[in-house]
Amino acid sequence: AQTVTQSQPEMSVQEAETVTLSCTYDTSENNYYLFWYKQPPSRQMILVIRQEAYKQQNATENRFSVNFQKAAKSFSLKISDSQLGDTAMYFCAFMNLQGGSEKLVFGKGTKLTVNP
Amino acid sequence: GAGVSQSPSNKVTEKGKDVELRCDPISGHTALYWYRQRLGQGLEFLIYFQGNSAPDKSGLPSDRFSAERTGESVSTLTIQRTQQEDSAVYLCASSRWDRDLNTEAFFGQGTRLTVV
Repeated sequence: AQTVTQSQPEMSVQEAETVTLSCTYDTSENNYYLFWYKQPPSRQMILVIRQEAYKQQNATENRFSVNFQKAAKSFSLKISDSQLGDTAMYFCAFMNLQGGSEKLVFGKGTKLTVNP
Repeated sequence: GAGVSQSPSNKVTEKGKDVELRCDPISGHTALYWYRQRLGQGLEFLIYFQGNSAPDKSGLPSDRFSAERTGESVSTLTIQRTQQEDSAVYLCASSRWDRDLNTEAFFGQGTRLTVV
């Protein structure tokens, strides 16, 4: 079974600075997606960034980028120029694509607070 | 509709009563997921439907929990003889993997269940 581990229950960062959230996962599969989702106090889950396992290039979306280390099964999220609106829970997630499955498993989350 | 719709948005029920939660996925999405999120916690996987395949029920916490989905349409999550520990937000998501598209899971706003 796939598992996703986020080892940082809470983190804080000053506005305009950079922060990195950690995520590791365990799988024996070779074909999968990785995601970071954001959940603000409104509780709506919002996709931040995705990474396809077969792509070596790290995904980037504006101020958000990932460091994907497939051999180490590591998928960290870097937020640059942090903004107050980035304050939220961040969840790392794994989607297995083997055999037509799309089962989606989440980590326990990291609560990020951006301080003014 | 354009997004995943869940109803009701809030439900208060008495301990011992049965409740039924509804999820309308995005049209054409073959995969549908239910998660439970207790206050301040992560997303706990409950059940996953993939097209007409047998659902993955490995996350259901007890036999009081069941879910159905007809084809690729609406899903209902039923909790029988509710207990106070069932109080949580129940989130539904749907997705459709396509090699030529960017896969992601889209979430509903959730149903907040309170058992009194």
